[in-house]
Amino acid sequence: AQKITQTQPGMFVQEKEAVTLDCTYDTSDPSYGLFWYKQPSSGEMIFLIYQGSYDQQNATEGRYSLNFQKARKSANLVISASQLGDSAMYFCAMVAGGTSYGKLTFGQGTILTVHP
Amino acid sequence: DVKVTQSSRYLVKRTGEKVFLECVQDMDHENMFWYRQDPGLGLRLIYFSYDVKMKEKGDIPEGYSVSREKKERFSLILESASTNQTSMYLCASSAPWDSYEQYFGPGTRLTVT
Repeated sequence: AQKITQTQPGMFVQEKEAVTLDCTYDTSDPSYGLFWYKQPSSGEMIFLIYQGSYDQQNATEGRYSLNFQKARKSANLVISASQLGDSAMYFCAMVAGGTSYGKLTFGQGTILTVHP
Repeated sequence: DVKVTQSSRYLVKRTGEKVFLECVQDMDHENMFWYRQDPGLGLRLIYFSYDVKMKEKGDIPEGYSVSREKKERFSLILESASTNQTSMYLCASSAPWDSYEQYFGPGTRLTVT
């Protein structure tokens, strides 16, 4: 079974500063993928970034980067130059290989608040 | 532009009513999912389907059933709605050729009174 742990219920950051949202995972499957989603107050889930377990380099998408430390089983999201529009709930999720049919296991989420 | 749509954004039903939540995707995805989201509990998987007429229970299937008669449509059914099923319901779809990234619908906020 897979497990995702997000230990920060809430985080605060000043506008234009960088922030790291923590995510640790647990799986016995050697092939897996890690996702980060953003959920604004409107409720839609927005895909941010993906990291495959065999990817050699950390994934980056614009201001988002994923700090992937395989030995530590961590997949932290780094948001650089925070903007007011980054205020939202953030979910870390994992898919394992095999016959999981793409089921994602989600963490509990972290609420990020960006202050002006 | 990829799209997952859900039949309603807001729904109010009475206890004991049969409730249908519809989800349609236009990406030819094999996999479709229904989640419920409650404060402090994250997203919990109710049911998923990996092919037409195929379905599997998720983590919290009690009180729910699903139907997938066509590839693009996945319905969630509350046979007899109860107040503890008041929640946000999210539908998603994915495919293996897309790293299983899940594309979500806008959600349905269901209130059972």
